[in-house]
This record gives sequence, structure tokens and C-alpha cells, in this order.
Amino acid sequence: AQTVTQSQPEMSVQEAETVTLSCTYDTSESDYYLFWYKQPPSRQMILVIRQEAYKQQNATENRFSVNFQKAAKSFSLKISDSQLGDAAMYFCAYGETSYDKVIFGPGTSLSVIP
Amino acid sequence: KAGVTQTPRYLIKTRGQQVTLSCSPISGHRSVSWYQQTPGQGLQFLFEYFSETQRNKGNFPGRFSGRQFSNSRSEMNVSTLELGDSALYLCASSLEGSVDGYTFGSGTRLTVV
Repeated sequence: AQTVTQSQPEMSVQEAETVTLSCTYDTSESDYYLFWYKQPPSRQMILVIRQEAYKQQNATENRFSVNFQKAAKSFSLKISDSQLGDAAMYFCAYGETSYDKVIFGPGTSLSVIP
Repeated sequence: KAGVTQTPRYLIKTRGQQVTLSCSPISGHRSVSWYQQTPGQGLQFLFEYFSETQRNKGNFPGRFSGRQFSNSRSEMNVSTLELGDSALYLCASSLEGSVDGYTFGSGTRLTVV
């Protein structure tokens, strides 16, 4: 069965600095999708970034970028120029077209220090 | 455009009762998924609906059920509530399926006493 692991339950970063959140996953499939979702204290989950496994180019969205290492089954999220509004729980997630559900990791709680 | 709307936001029920939660997806989104979020178990997949058909179901007892209407709105029902059903229930919609990326609602906080 597919699994998603986030080994850092909590992290902190100084405002304006860069932080990287780690994620590893396990699958025997070659075609799949990976996501990072953000859940701020207001609790509404927001899609941060999406990566298609067949694309070698790493996805980016403004200050958010990923380092996708398919062979290592690693999918880390880099947040540059961290802002107070980035403080949230971040979930790494895995999905396949063949079954319509997404598996979420346990999450990493990110604090931003002013 | 309007986001995913979940009602009610908060709910307190007694053990043994049943509850119905509602979710209105983004206009044009045909896939609706439900997740249960608890501090101990994280986000657990309940089920996914597309064009009124359940395409996938998670490992939850039969007390948990759902349906989708022709306008893509979805409801989930939990019968014979147990204390362990206390959780945040999240609804997420997407165009065709989960790999498109979800848009989540704000959730319904269910407390069973």
C-alpha cells in the first residue's frame, strides 16, 4: 500500500529565511501525483503545489518550490523568504489516477518567528 | 467564484444519534471527496463521488455513508454516533478527480458527547 511519511512533526523558521520540509513516499507505481497542502489555524486546507511524477522539472509557485527525486521517492517543499502568514500545518500527499483518493502524510507544523 | 461550502460549521450530537453533513462544491467540479481529520489519525479518506457514483471508499464502518446529487452537492451521514466519531470532517472538490488537486471546504467540527 502507498504510504506518505513526514519525519519532521514541527519546524520553525525566522521571518525572511528559507525552510525546507521533508516528505518521502512509498509506491510501486510510475505514474502518480504529489501535492503539498497547507492548513493554517483557520483550518481551511489550501493546495500549495502539485507535481506530476512523469515531469522531471520541479514545480514552483512563487516562493514555494519542490525538490522531486523520483528514484529516492522524495518530495521536499522549500519556502523562500518566509512570511508570518506561512505559519501552518503542511501536509504532503500522494495520488493516482487509477484510484480516486489522495493519501496524506501526518503533517509538519511550521512556526515563523518574527 | 464561490468556494466549497460545508454546513454546518459546528455540531454537537449525543452518542447513538445520527448526523448529516452537507457539502456544495465549486461550480463545475464534479468530484467530491470526504475526509475525517483527528489529532491521532490525521486525515483519513472516507469516500469519493463523481457524477452521483461512489468511485472509492475508505476503511470506515458501514455507519458512514454518503451520496451525491445531480448538481454535484454531496452529503455524508453517520448513524449510531460513537465518541470516537468526534472529528473535523472535510469536504474537497475537484474537476474530475483527486489528482487535479483539491479545493477544500472549511470543514464541519462534529463533537459527540
